Amino acid sequence: GENVEQHPSTLSVQEGDSAVIKCTYSDSASNYFPWYKQELGKGPQLIIDIRSNVGEKKDQRIAVTLNKTAKHFSLHITETQPEDSAVYFCAASNTDKLIFGTGTRLQVFP
Amino acid sequence: SAVISQKPSRDICQRGTSLTIQCQVDSQVTMMFWYRQQPGQSLTLIATANQGSEATYESGFVIDKFPISRPNLTFSTLTVSNMSPEDSSIYLCSASGTSSTDTQYFGPGTRLTVL
Repeated sequence: GENVEQHPSTLSVQEGDSAVIKCTYSDSASNYFPWYKQELGKGPQLIIDIRSNVGEKKDQRIAVTLNKTAKHFSLHITETQPEDSAVYFCAASNTDKLIFGTGTRLQVFP
Repeated sequence: SAVISQKPSRDICQRGTSLTIQCQVDSQVTMMFWYRQQPGQSLTLIATANQGSEATYESGFVIDKFPISRPNLTFSTLTVSNMSPEDSSIYLCSASGTSSTDTQYFGPGTRLTVL
């Protein structure tokens, strides 16, 4: 079955800097890759997703890149703000179910 | 996007008892899912609840322990039966369209503590 690895587990950045979180997946049949942000005491919130027919997708300060050959995808957050502080989860799916990464705790210091 | 609510938001229960968690979606959806998230950990899928058919359970989860109902396209329940302290966790409901590759939205979660 699918296995998703996520790095780093924690990431601390200064406000205004960029943050990059990387995930690798094992199942070459996976074709959908969402990213979720989870704030303390809340459910995961979808922030961006990408499908296997696209290499990159951007939404304001957030971008996701996908390398199907290497089977990895990354989340890029530019101009980070304190409100970006949260736990971020990547996931992969091939129409069966979402398999989540282990999560990255991002802290943005003012 | 779908808005999902869960009841209760949190509960403290005694071991050996059962708790039923409700999940309500503001629009009709094909697929609903139940996840468990232990403190500081990732999300683990318990089962997929499909309207009109029995839930599909993931390895390590059984119907006797986690019975699921899906009476219509907007509502589902998860029961945690015969609880033990190891069942203390956050239980999350999610919903999507026709497959898990459709956007999946999550509820706020139910924080369960078993004493």
